[in-house]
Amino acid sequence: GDSVTQMEGPVTLSEEAFLTINCTYTATGYPSLFWYVQYPGEGLQLLLKATKADDKGSNKGFEATYRKETTSFHLEKGSVQVSDSAVYFCALATGNQFYFGTGTSLTVIP
Amino acid sequence: DADVTQTPRNRITKTGKRIMLECSQTKGHDRMYWYRQDPGLGLRLIYYSFDVKDINKGEISDGYSVSRQAQAKFSLSLESAIPNQTALYFCATSDLPGTAYNEQFFGPGTRLTVL
Repeated sequence: GDSVTQMEGPVTLSEEAFLTINCTYTATGYPSLFWYVQYPGEGLQLLLKATKADDKGSNKGFEATYRKETTSFHLEKGSVQVSDSAVYFCALATGNQFYFGTGTSLTVIP
Repeated sequence: DADVTQTPRNRITKTGKRIMLECSQTKGHDRMYWYRQDPGLGLRLIYYSFDVKDINKGEISDGYSVSRQAQAKFSLSLESAIPNQTALYFCATSDLPGTAYNEQFFGPGTRLTVL
């Protein structure tokens, strides 16, 4: 069935380091792909999305490219900040369902 | 004001009690969802509703029931709470798919503890 697999955490980085969080998916049809972010004590917020192959979603310095050939949607940021500390979820929407990864906790230290 | 609200935000209850969690939205979306979040398990779908007359079970519906009172309101009930229902519960909404699938919008969550 449809599913999302994302890199397990936790991930700890120093400020200004490069970030990659891997996400791969299994889906039939033509899913849309999303990255959500959850800050401590809050609900999930959409970070970025891509709706078709080769689309690149971007927001707040984060980017992810919808790669159909590798069924991936890896999240990247060139220089992380302390304020990026949060849990990141990869998700896909297909048919009438949404599927979420298990989340990757990121801590950025000064 | 928040587009998706949940009440209560925190609740502590005892085993066997009936609990209702409420969700309201002002986004005008037809589709609403209830999830629970547990450490290491991500989000798991409990129930979803595509309109007032449409209710569907999700991955983990046992022990839960829902009511869609209006387009804007979707309630989750635990008829007889048990400790392994201790979790963070989220309500979400989404618009109808267009040429692509639209994102979900989440409420702030309800932290439920069952003693």
